[in-house]
Amino acid sequence: EVQLVETGGGLVQPGKSLKLTCATSGFTFSNAWMHWVRQSPEKQLEWVAQIKAKSNNYATYYAESVKGRFTISRDDSKSSVYLQMNSLKEEDTAIYYCTWGGSDSFAYWGQGTLVTVSS
Amino acid sequence: DVVMTQTPVSLSVSLGGQVSISCRSSQSLVHNNGNTYLSWYLQKPGQSPQLLIYKVSNRFSGISDRFSGSGSGTDLTLKISRVEPDDLGVYYCGQGTQYPPTFGGGTKLELK
Repeated sequence: EVQLVETGGGLVQPGKSLKLTCATSGFTFSNAWMHWVRQSPEKQLEWVAQIKAKSNNYATYYAESVKGRFTISRDDSKSSVYLQMNSLKEEDTAIYYCTWGGSDSFAYWGQGTLVTVSS
Repeated sequence: DVVMTQTPVSLSVSLGGQVSISCRSSQSLVHNNGNTYLSWYLQKPGQSPQLLIYKVSNRFSGISDRFSGSGSGTDLTLKISRVEPDDLGVYYCGQGTQYPPTFGGGTKLELK
């Protein structure tokens, strides 16, 4: 059974940092392209970042809204993907989902972790 | 970015009825390779989104044949027949043809 479990969310002040972790199981993680997708309080879904597999040189891609502030990474030995979020803004407040899929669709989602940016 | 527009925003249906949800994109979703990367997701109350349909009309593993996708180019449709209580929630379309992937604003399906 495919499982994705996100941790690391919480309440943080604007300008601060937070690191999210997604632990996975049930599939061959080393071959998987992984994404982070977030859902705003208004329920809008927004793709945040992607990291491809080693065979694709771990290529990364980011939404313009987070480029330069967020960094996606992975540890194939731990079947985990991470999202380092720096210089957080109030508009980054959202539920952050880890997802597995190609670039064309998101087949599996974690339960999400809530990030609240507020002073 | 490709803008995805879903209509209607909300929909009321009787159990056993049939509904259609429209998704229109600001640009053609036909990829250079000939595929159209349009997916449909359902988010049930209190849950994460789940994939229903990919590449316009392909049902994901375990998805009932009551769900069907159709359309081409910029005009795509999800049809749900014989609606059941477990079908209620918010439906989203999403495109993966062009970076960045983008989603529609959602259509809430409620009981009449």
